[in-house]
Amino acid sequence: AQRVTQPEKLLSVFKGAPVELKCNYSYSGSPELFWYVQYSRQRLQLLLRHISRESIKGFTADLNKGETSFHLKKPFAQEEDSAMYYCALSGPTNFGNEKLTFGTGTRLTIIP
Amino acid sequence: DTGVSQNPRHKITKRGQNVTFRCDPISEHNRLYWYRQTLGQGPEFLTYFQNEAQLEKSRLLSDRFSAERPKGSFSTLEIQRTEQGDSAMYLCASSPGGRGLFFGSGTQLSVL
Repeated sequence: AQRVTQPEKLLSVFKGAPVELKCNYSYSGSPELFWYVQYSRQRLQLLLRHISRESIKGFTADLNKGETSFHLKKPFAQEEDSAMYYCALSGPTNFGNEKLTFGTGTRLTIIP
Repeated sequence: DTGVSQNPRHKITKRGQNVTFRCDPISEHNRLYWYRQTLGQGPEFLTYFQNEAQLEKSRLLSDRFSAERPKGSFSTLEIQRTEQGDSAMYLCASSPGGRGLFFGSGTQLSVL
């Protein structure tokens, strides 16, 4: 069974400090990993996906298959980064189904 | 706003009543998903449509739940004989395939 674990429910970081949101997964095959973000009073939106290898809003995430991790990092936190962050995994696409298994989320608060 | 649209935003009902939610996906997206999210949890997959065909249902989707996408455009999710445990945020998402899921703002259901 596939599973996503986000060990921190809450994380507070000072503005300008580095940020790391942890995500570990359990999956027997080759998953696709995502980070979704939900800002206050906004809908859940895709932040980045591992296959794109992009940096979005200064965030990066590297898939470590050996440690089954996909931690989200940013070198210098900004106040607008305060939000709820969800790590998610997509497994084999039966009938094109890209359904996601989500972690429980981490609420990131940036302290001015 | 050309994103995924969900109606109503909020629904309060009494236990035992039936409720129906509507989702209008992004127009060119042929894949549509329903998720449920309770407090402190990440979204959980309920069901998946590709065009008008319902191709996967989660075990979370009891017999009281039914979803349709009659013409491969909008979708409805109906809950019959609601129970207090059905109280949750119901999220709809759509996808063109291969780019992640695009979520709506959700319908918050409260069963009294």
